[in-house]
Amino acid sequence: NAGVMQNPRHLVRRRGQEARLRCSPMKGHSHVYWYRQLPEEGLKFMVYLQKENIIDESGMPKERFSAEFPKEGPSILRIQQVVRGDSAAYFCASSTRQDNQPQHFGDGTRLSIL
Amino acid sequence: AQSVTQLDSHVSVSEGTPVLLRCNYSSSYSPSLFWYVQHPNKGLQLLLKYTSAATLVKGINGFEAEFKKSETSFHLTKPSAHMSDAAEYFCVVNQNTGNQFYFGTGTSLTVIP
Repeated sequence: NAGVMQNPRHLVRRRGQEARLRCSPMKGHSHVYWYRQLPEEGLKFMVYLQKENIIDESGMPKERFSAEFPKEGPSILRIQQVVRGDSAAYFCASSTRQDNQPQHFGDGTRLSIL
Repeated sequence: AQSVTQLDSHVSVSEGTPVLLRCNYSSSYSPSLFWYVQHPNKGLQLLLKYTSAATLVKGINGFEAEFKKSETSFHLTKPSAHMSDAAEYFCVVNQNTGNQFYFGTGTSLTVIP
């Protein structure tokens, strides 16, 4: 399967712990996007990255959240000192180009905070 | 500024009857428009896209959508609903010079046997 791969599928953390979410884009895709989906809501853009560069992080909370897409390996969304409100589904998408190209989505990571 | 409004949060149809999921958009620039479907606990799958070519766009699984600039609409239709169509549907807009996709809040489609 050459689709977007996210892991883990489910992640449980206690308040104050760190959460690391991983995303491997489709083969040949150099653009990665992270979205957050709260219950009963649509997806909200968080951050857009290319290899080794953050292009747009306007949707990312200013504190505790960070993202990277290193030269080698998957993209990582990191949430430090998690709180209950971080509970959500986090989706990664990838595309070949920046603009008006369909984004291909992974199955998401469902983060639950105890 | 861009935004997407999905006019119905829930739509219920009988199997074999037509489906209409409504979407209106606002965009300062010539937009690209997409419909995605999300089955429970899964990611989003692209149904179809409009990128300034033909205004009537045909997608997978018998779905199609028509871009109407005068009405700023991009409604999704299917002539005959199937049980497997039950899912959440998202209308998405992207301006052709931007990297952000703006999602509607979704329409939950129920298909009654």
